[in-house]
Amino acid sequence: SQQGEEDPQALSIQEGENATMNCSYKTSINNLQWYRQNSGRGLVHLILIRSNEREKHSGRLRVTLDTSKKSSSLLITASRAADTASYFCATPYTGGFKTIFGAGTRLFVKA
Amino acid sequence: DTEVTQTPKHLVMGMTNKKSLKCEQHMGHRAMYWYKQKAKKPPELMFVYSYEKLSINESVPSRFSPECPNSSLLNLHLHALQPEDSALYLCASSLPLGKEEKLFFGSGTQLSVL
Repeated sequence: SQQGEEDPQALSIQEGENATMNCSYKTSINNLQWYRQNSGRGLVHLILIRSNEREKHSGRLRVTLDTSKKSSSLLITASRAADTASYFCATPYTGGFKTIFGAGTRLFVKA
Repeated sequence: DTEVTQTPKHLVMGMTNKKSLKCEQHMGHRAMYWYKQKAKKPPELMFVYSYEKLSINESVPSRFSPECPNSSLLNLHLHALQPEDSALYLCASSLPLGKEEKLFFGSGTQLSVL
């Protein structure tokens, strides 16, 4: 079974609104990562949060990690039409070489 | 150069064909990966190479044969594929274990098996 599960599966918002995506995982982790994928393209790494961190910011992105609940959230503030994409959380295990992706959230930002 | 380059971008093949997917990176990464992604699904790990040696094979059918000729190149040889193998095939690379673990992905090869 997948290491990370995400909700919602799909999210549709207006430009300028905030988007929040959640990810849950099952085993202990050293870090959790978030990736973005535009339709039919490769994934782009957005942000990495380590297990000893609770919150991390990068531009309009804010990631939180709660290791007690085995969950993480990605907040995109002031969304833009260009943010329309699928977003995946990912957790590496088995020595770090096996990165497993969650089911993903498809975000649609309407202009 | 922070790119992972995959060729071809699109590939249509019959079930009796033999073809190869190619992946190249010049970032000095010593770990390289093949992922398979079906539409609206997350990428699924197929193979991992570490220092040009196969480290992980996720029970992939033998009709998929990976090859890592050197630290910059990764190939995926395809033979006698089935229509259900149609998918986006993604190559990725990363620094070795103990360094930053983030993956750098290529744009993928969209494969259709007829």
